[in-house]
Amino acid sequence: GIQVEQSPPDLILQEGANSTLRCNFSDSVNNLQWFHQNPWGQLINLFYIPSGTKQNGRLSATTVATERYSLLYISSSQTTDSGVYFCAVGRIIQGAQKLVFGQGTRLTINP
Amino acid sequence: DTEVTQTPKHLVMGMTNKKSLKCEQHMGHRAMYWYKQKAKKPPELMFVYSYEKLSINESVPSRFSPECPNSSLLNLHLHALQPEDSALYLCASSQGLLANEQFFGPGTRLTVL
Repeated sequence: GIQVEQSPPDLILQEGANSTLRCNFSDSVNNLQWFHQNPWGQLINLFYIPSGTKQNGRLSATTVATERYSLLYISSSQTTDSGVYFCAVGRIIQGAQKLVFGQGTRLTINP
Repeated sequence: DTEVTQTPKHLVMGMTNKKSLKCEQHMGHRAMYWYKQKAKKPPELMFVYSYEKLSINESVPSRFSPECPNSSLLNLHLHALQPEDSALYLCASSQGLLANEQFFGPGTRLTVL
Protein backbone atom coordinates (compact mmCIF):
# COMPACT_ATOMS: atom_id res chain seq x y z
CA GLY A 1 0.00 0.00 0.00
CA ILE A 2 0.89 3.65 -0.17
CA GLN A 3 3.41 4.97 2.37
CA VAL A 4 3.02 8.40 3.97
CA GLU A 5 5.94 9.86 5.88
CA GLN A 6 5.80 13.04 7.92
CA SER A 7 8.70 15.00 9.29
CA PRO A 8 9.76 16.03 11.80
CA PRO A 9 7.97 13.71 14.26
CA ASP A 10 8.24 16.27 17.05
CA LEU A 11 8.76 20.02 17.01
CA ILE A 12 9.08 22.37 19.98
CA LEU A 13 9.04 26.10 19.32
CA GLN A 14 8.61 29.42 21.08
CA GLU A 15 5.53 31.52 20.47
CA GLY A 16 6.00 33.68 17.40
CA ALA A 17 8.27 31.24 15.54
CA ASN A 18 7.61 29.91 12.06
CA SER A 19 7.63 26.25 11.08
CA THR A 20 7.47 23.95 8.07
CA LEU A 21 6.00 20.45 8.25
CA ARG A 22 6.63 17.99 5.45
CA CYS A 23 4.64 15.06 4.06
CA ASN A 24 6.11 12.62 1.53
CA PHE A 25 4.03 9.95 -0.15
CA SER A 26 5.10 6.97 -2.19
CA ASP A 27 2.57 6.92 -5.05
CA SER A 28 0.18 9.13 -6.98
CA VAL A 29 -2.88 10.26 -5.01
CA ASN A 30 -6.33 11.69 -5.71
CA ASN A 31 -6.62 13.64 -2.50
CA LEU A 32 -4.40 15.18 0.14
CA GLN A 33 -5.63 16.75 3.34
CA TRP A 34 -3.91 18.39 6.30
CA PHE A 35 -5.52 18.11 9.74
CA HIS A 36 -4.84 19.49 13.19
CA GLN A 37 -5.83 17.16 16.01
CA ASN A 38 -6.51 19.06 19.19
CA PRO A 39 -5.93 17.61 22.70
CA TRP A 40 -9.56 16.40 22.81
CA GLY A 41 -9.10 14.32 19.69
CA GLN A 42 -11.04 16.45 17.22
CA LEU A 43 -9.56 16.40 13.72
CA ILE A 44 -9.84 19.88 12.29
CA ASN A 45 -9.61 20.33 8.54
CA LEU A 46 -6.83 22.71 7.59
CA PHE A 47 -6.46 22.19 3.85
CA TYR A 48 -7.80 20.03 1.07
CA ILE A 49 -4.91 20.32 -1.36
CA PRO A 50 -4.32 17.56 -3.95
CA SER A 51 -2.08 20.04 -5.80
CA GLY A 52 -1.08 23.68 -5.78
CA THR A 53 -0.85 26.26 -3.02
CA LYS A 54 -3.45 27.55 -0.59
CA GLN A 55 -3.37 30.04 2.25
CA ASN A 56 -5.62 30.55 5.23
CA GLY A 57 -4.50 33.24 7.64
CA ARG A 58 -1.20 32.26 9.25
CA LEU A 59 -1.27 28.84 7.61
CA SER A 60 -0.42 27.91 4.06
CA ALA A 61 0.17 24.65 2.23
CA THR A 62 1.78 23.54 -1.00
CA THR A 63 1.46 20.17 -2.70
CA VAL A 64 3.75 19.17 -5.56
CA ALA A 65 1.95 16.06 -6.76
CA THR A 66 4.51 15.20 -9.44
CA GLU A 67 7.24 15.06 -6.78
CA ARG A 68 4.98 13.42 -4.20
CA TYR A 69 5.28 15.80 -1.31
CA SER A 70 3.31 18.46 0.52
CA LEU A 71 4.40 21.19 2.92
CA LEU A 72 2.45 22.95 5.66
CA TYR A 73 3.72 26.34 6.79
CA ILE A 74 2.74 27.87 10.11
CA SER A 75 3.80 31.46 10.70
CA SER A 76 3.84 33.47 13.95
CA SER A 77 2.96 30.40 16.01
CA GLN A 78 0.56 30.68 18.93
CA THR A 79 0.16 28.32 21.89
CA THR A 80 -3.20 27.26 20.47
CA ASP A 81 -1.37 25.83 17.45
CA SER A 82 -0.05 23.04 19.68
CA GLY A 83 -1.24 19.54 18.85
CA VAL A 84 -0.65 16.86 16.27
CA TYR A 85 -0.67 17.69 12.58
CA PHE A 86 -1.61 14.88 10.22
CA CYS A 87 -1.20 14.61 6.50
CA ALA A 88 -3.61 12.15 4.86
CA VAL A 89 -3.58 11.02 1.24
CA GLY A 90 -6.48 9.52 -0.64
CA ARG A 91 -6.48 6.77 -3.20
CA ILE A 92 -9.41 5.14 -4.98
CA ILE A 93 -9.65 1.52 -3.85
CA GLN A 94 -12.60 -0.73 -4.75
CA GLY A 95 -14.46 2.29 -6.14
CA ALA A 96 -14.13 4.29 -2.92
CA GLN A 97 -11.61 6.75 -1.56
CA LYS A 98 -9.36 5.43 1.18
CA LEU A 99 -7.54 8.02 3.28
CA VAL A 100 -4.15 6.91 4.58
CA PHE A 101 -2.65 8.99 7.37
CA GLY A 102 0.98 9.73 8.11
CA GLN A 103 2.28 9.23 11.66
CA GLY A 104 1.84 12.92 12.41
CA THR A 105 4.01 15.79 13.64
CA ARG A 106 3.55 16.70 17.30
CA LEU A 107 3.94 20.47 17.60
CA THR A 108 4.43 22.15 20.97
CA ILE A 109 4.39 25.94 21.15
CA ASN A 110 5.74 27.34 24.40
CA PRO A 111 4.76 30.83 25.64
CA ASP B 1 -22.23 23.85 7.99
CA THR B 2 -19.48 21.23 8.02
CA GLU B 3 -20.51 19.45 11.18
CA VAL B 4 -20.44 15.76 11.90
CA THR B 5 -21.79 14.81 15.32
CA GLN B 6 -21.03 11.68 17.33
CA THR B 7 -22.60 10.23 20.44
CA PRO B 8 -21.71 9.34 23.06
CA LYS B 9 -18.50 11.29 23.71
CA HIS B 10 -17.24 8.65 26.12
CA LEU B 11 -18.23 5.02 26.59
CA VAL B 12 -17.07 2.43 29.10
CA MET B 13 -18.24 -1.13 28.53
CA GLY B 14 -17.52 -4.62 29.70
CA MET B 15 -16.50 -7.41 27.38
CA THR B 16 -19.96 -8.98 27.49
CA ASN B 17 -21.89 -5.77 26.80
CA LYS B 18 -23.57 -4.67 23.60
CA LYS B 19 -23.43 -0.99 22.78
CA SER B 20 -23.73 1.28 19.75
CA LEU B 21 -21.94 4.39 18.54
CA LYS B 22 -23.88 6.92 16.52
CA CYS B 23 -22.76 9.38 13.86
CA GLU B 24 -24.89 11.98 12.10
CA GLN B 25 -24.33 14.56 9.38
CA HIS B 26 -26.76 16.95 7.68
CA MET B 27 -24.53 18.19 4.88
CA GLY B 28 -26.13 15.99 2.24
CA HIS B 29 -22.97 13.90 2.03
CA ARG B 30 -23.40 10.47 0.46
CA ALA B 31 -20.26 8.76 1.78
CA MET B 32 -19.59 8.03 5.45
CA TYR B 33 -16.65 6.41 7.19
CA TRP B 34 -15.59 4.83 10.47
CA TYR B 35 -12.00 5.15 11.67
CA LYS B 36 -10.24 3.77 14.73
CA GLN B 37 -7.42 5.65 16.43
CA LYS B 38 -5.24 4.11 19.13
CA ALA B 39 -3.27 6.35 21.48
CA LYS B 40 -0.35 8.17 19.80
CA LYS B 41 -1.18 6.57 16.43
CA PRO B 42 -2.87 7.93 13.30
CA PRO B 43 -6.49 7.09 12.46
CA GLU B 44 -7.03 3.87 10.51
CA LEU B 45 -9.95 3.23 8.21
CA MET B 46 -12.47 0.57 9.27
CA PHE B 47 -15.51 0.92 6.98
CA VAL B 48 -16.76 3.03 4.07
CA TYR B 49 -20.44 3.47 3.19
CA SER B 50 -21.64 5.01 -0.03
CA TYR B 51 -25.32 5.69 -0.72
CA GLU B 52 -26.10 3.61 2.38
CA LYS B 53 -24.27 0.56 1.03
CA LEU B 54 -21.06 -0.87 2.48
CA SER B 55 -18.23 -0.20 0.02
CA ILE B 56 -15.13 -1.09 2.03
CA ASN B 57 -14.58 -3.31 5.07
CA GLU B 58 -10.92 -3.22 6.04
CA SER B 59 -11.00 -6.78 7.42
CA VAL B 60 -12.53 -5.58 10.66
CA PRO B 61 -13.49 -8.31 13.20
CA SER B 62 -17.17 -9.20 13.24
CA ARG B 63 -17.57 -7.92 16.81
CA PHE B 64 -17.79 -4.51 15.06
CA SER B 65 -20.97 -4.28 12.99
CA PRO B 66 -21.67 -1.12 10.98
CA GLU B 67 -25.11 0.01 9.89
CA CYS B 68 -26.27 2.89 7.71
CA PRO B 69 -30.05 3.30 8.21
CA ASN B 70 -30.22 6.40 5.98
CA SER B 71 -27.95 8.85 4.22
CA SER B 72 -27.50 11.03 7.32
CA LEU B 73 -26.88 8.38 9.95
CA LEU B 74 -24.16 5.82 10.57
CA ASN B 75 -24.04 3.42 13.50
CA LEU B 76 -21.35 1.11 14.80
CA HIS B 77 -22.69 -1.77 16.86
CA LEU B 78 -20.27 -3.27 19.37
CA HIS B 79 -20.47 -6.74 20.88
CA ALA B 80 -18.04 -8.92 22.84
CA LEU B 81 -15.21 -6.41 22.53
CA GLN B 82 -11.73 -6.95 23.90
CA PRO B 83 -9.69 -4.51 26.02
CA GLU B 84 -7.41 -3.93 23.02
CA ASP B 85 -10.42 -2.42 21.21
CA SER B 86 -10.21 0.57 23.54
CA ALA B 87 -9.58 3.55 21.26
CA LEU B 88 -11.00 6.77 19.84
CA TYR B 89 -13.60 5.97 17.18
CA LEU B 90 -13.97 8.67 14.56
CA CYS B 91 -16.73 9.10 12.02
CA ALA B 92 -16.27 11.11 8.83
CA SER B 93 -18.30 12.06 5.80
CA SER B 94 -17.65 13.36 2.30
CA GLN B 95 -19.83 14.61 -0.50
CA GLY B 96 -19.12 11.61 -2.66
CA LEU B 97 -16.88 8.59 -2.81
CA LEU B 98 -14.21 9.87 -5.13
CA ALA B 99 -11.54 12.44 -4.31
CA ASN B 100 -13.67 14.52 -1.97
CA GLU B 101 -12.70 16.28 1.22
CA GLN B 102 -13.55 14.30 4.35
CA PHE B 103 -14.92 15.97 7.48
CA PHE B 104 -14.56 14.33 10.86
CA GLY B 105 -16.71 14.21 13.96
CA PRO B 106 -15.30 14.75 17.48
CA GLY B 107 -15.05 11.01 18.15
CA THR B 108 -16.20 8.57 20.80
CA ARG B 109 -13.57 7.56 23.34
CA LEU B 110 -14.22 3.89 24.10
CA THR B 111 -12.83 1.97 27.05
CA VAL B 112 -13.37 -1.79 27.25
CA LEU B 113 -12.90 -3.30 30.70
